[in-house]
Amino acid sequence: KAGVTQTPRYLIKTRGQQVTLSCSPISGHRSVSWYQQTPGQGLQFLFEYFSETQRNKGNFPGRFSGRQFSNSRSEMNVSTLELGDSALYLCASSLGTSGSTDTQYFGPGTRLTVL
Amino acid sequence: DAKTTQPNSMESNEEEPVHLPCNHSTISGTDYIHWYRQLPSQGPEYVIHGLTSNVNNRMASLAIAEDRKSSTLILHRATLRDAAVYYCILRMMGSSNTGKLIFGQGTTLQVKP
Repeated sequence: KAGVTQTPRYLIKTRGQQVTLSCSPISGHRSVSWYQQTPGQGLQFLFEYFSETQRNKGNFPGRFSGRQFSNSRSEMNVSTLELGDSALYLCASSLGTSGSTDTQYFGPGTRLTVL
Repeated sequence: DAKTTQPNSMESNEEEPVHLPCNHSTISGTDYIHWYRQLPSQGPEYVIHGLTSNVNNRMASLAIAEDRKSSTLILHRATLRDAAVYYCILRMMGSSNTGKLIFGQGTTLQVKP
């Protein structure tokens, strides 16, 4: 079974621009979660989508948004980029129906650099 | 979610057992204990989880204290490939928390040949 894929793997943008990252979950998984990883803050939860609806949200500004399509693929958008948005963005997929025993499968991440 | 405390770093020799501790003194009766690890330049990967009883799988064992205020991830024979950051995470029961993991700083495990 193919794993979680993320595109692009690397991205360079300038301040003020916007960016869209894509995540394709494991076949059959209906939940996709997004995380931001930086050296200073570690891994932080952004949001989770399940069956095209946002189910959980972390403490990030409204510039960070996402969506999920009917095939469970998800996109994350960051508008008006700031230098501090430079990070590794990870997505994880899961069945989404097992509650607190749900296993998350992570993709390799997209490395975003904001200049 | 309740907080976990882990040592910042640990060292081990190759082919020796490794015991990675985690304190979670404020754990509630319905919190599951999960362990994930992140190898260099990769996304995190699931290792093991448990509620009350000790658990074993092909990757590791999880020993949970009787009062559940602490747990230990056991790698029976460390290999160089086990060098990673190990995260101990508590997950509250309830479908509303399904896709949300709260990561702490984790323990960086160094394995020496």
